Amino acid sequence: GESVGLHLPTLSVQEGDNSIINCAYSNSASDYFIWYKQESGKGPQFIIDIRSNMDKRQGQRVTVLLNKTVKHLSLQIAATQPGDSAVYFCAENSGGSNYKLTFGKGTLLTVNP
Amino acid sequence: GAGVSQSPRYKVAKRGQDVALRCDPISGHVSLFWYQQALGQGPEFLTYFQNEAQLDKSGLPSDRFFAERPEGSVSTLKIQRTQQEDSAVYLCASSLKGNAPNTGELFFGEGSRLTVL
Repeated sequence: GESVGLHLPTLSVQEGDNSIINCAYSNSASDYFIWYKQESGKGPQFIIDIRSNMDKRQGQRVTVLLNKTVKHLSLQIAATQPGDSAVYFCAENSGGSNYKLTFGKGTLLTVNP
Repeated sequence: GAGVSQSPRYKVAKRGQDVALRCDPISGHVSLFWYQQALGQGPEFLTYFQNEAQLDKSGLPSDRFFAERPEGSVSTLKIQRTQQEDSAVYLCASSLKGNAPNTGELFFGEGSRLTVL
């Protein structure tokens, strides 16, 4: 299970650097994964998704990698900008559910100008 | 409105009080979800509606929690006899289709932050 606590994993990068945020998911039956960005005081915002029949998907400045063998997801953000500062969550469709999401622990990304 | 709207944005309740949190989904959206987000944690599923039908309420923590969507649009999450452990942000999300989140088209509101003293 996931650890419980008030301290999020954090990643601090310099503006312009690339960022990599990692996530371990829990259910091998999950077949759809999403990365969300959550800014302070706001709801989660969709960034990119990937299905389990893929191992890589690219969007604008973002790439998601999926390793089903070790149940691991990563989000790569190219040329990180101050506006990318937020908490990032990975989510999986719980055990293959077509409506329920299970969110992972978030990672706080701080971009230093 | 253009997005999912939730009210109140902030609610302070004394332990034992009842509270009601409102969600206005995006017009025409079939699916509506409630999630609970404790401080420093990811959102956790509470319940799911497709139109007015509550298809899954397995995430509601106790029988003090009740959600409804009587006309298939606006939804209310009610918490009776609030306890300190109910303090959290309650997020509402909606989707045009009935099979979200697989479409990725799930839109979250900004949440209602409940603090129980």
